[in-house]
Amino acid sequence: DAGVIQSPRHEVTEMGQEVTLRCKPISGHDYLFWYRQTMMRGLELLIYFNNNVPIDDSGMPEDRFSAKMPNASFSTLKIQPSEPRDSAVYFCASSQKAGSTGELFFGEGSRLTVL
Amino acid sequence: EDQVTQSPEALRLQEGESSSLNCSYTVSGLRGLFWYRQDPGKGPEFLFTLYSAGEEKEKERLKATLTKKESFLHITAPKPEDSATYLCAVQAVNSGYALNFGKGTSLLVTP
Repeated sequence: DAGVIQSPRHEVTEMGQEVTLRCKPISGHDYLFWYRQTMMRGLELLIYFNNNVPIDDSGMPEDRFSAKMPNASFSTLKIQPSEPRDSAVYFCASSQKAGSTGELFFGEGSRLTVL
Repeated sequence: EDQVTQSPEALRLQEGESSSLNCSYTVSGLRGLFWYRQDPGKGPEFLFTLYSAGEEKEKERLKATLTKKESFLHITAPKPEDSATYLCAVQAVNSGYALNFGKGTSLLVTP
């Protein structure tokens, strides 16, 4: 299996622009997580899905952030409009055993820079 | 609110010099505690799950232990390839299946 695939790997955009990050989880995994990592705050959970249904979005910073999972093999995280404080590495992770072992499989991340 | 605090923030070891990383946690009800390794430019990679105080897990030069308030990741005779950031995370009984991560310990092992 190719693992969790994220795109783009790097994104540089200007304040106010819309940003869409994409994730393809590992086939057969029914949990999908979006995390954000910064030096100051570490890894923060934004939202997670189970069987394509959002379960907990309490970590989504504000209404500028939205996430969707239209099917089992694809998810998007959208920021509109983007702000410089959104600059971070965004990770997608999937799991088949989130409830039992906590073993998440992470993608390589999307590094976002908002100027 | 769940809290996970890792120390030290950074650690430099000589090859072969054993040491331990600490993860202190506060959680209303612990479902599990997890250790991950993160290499630069990569996503975290799962190492261990610990469920109850007294439990230990081992993998090569790494051993993780758990008490009611903290976990240790012991590194025995480290090699340069053990250099990475080590992340600790907790999963609380009342927070679904989300993992709450600490900020990590950055380990550098020099030859």
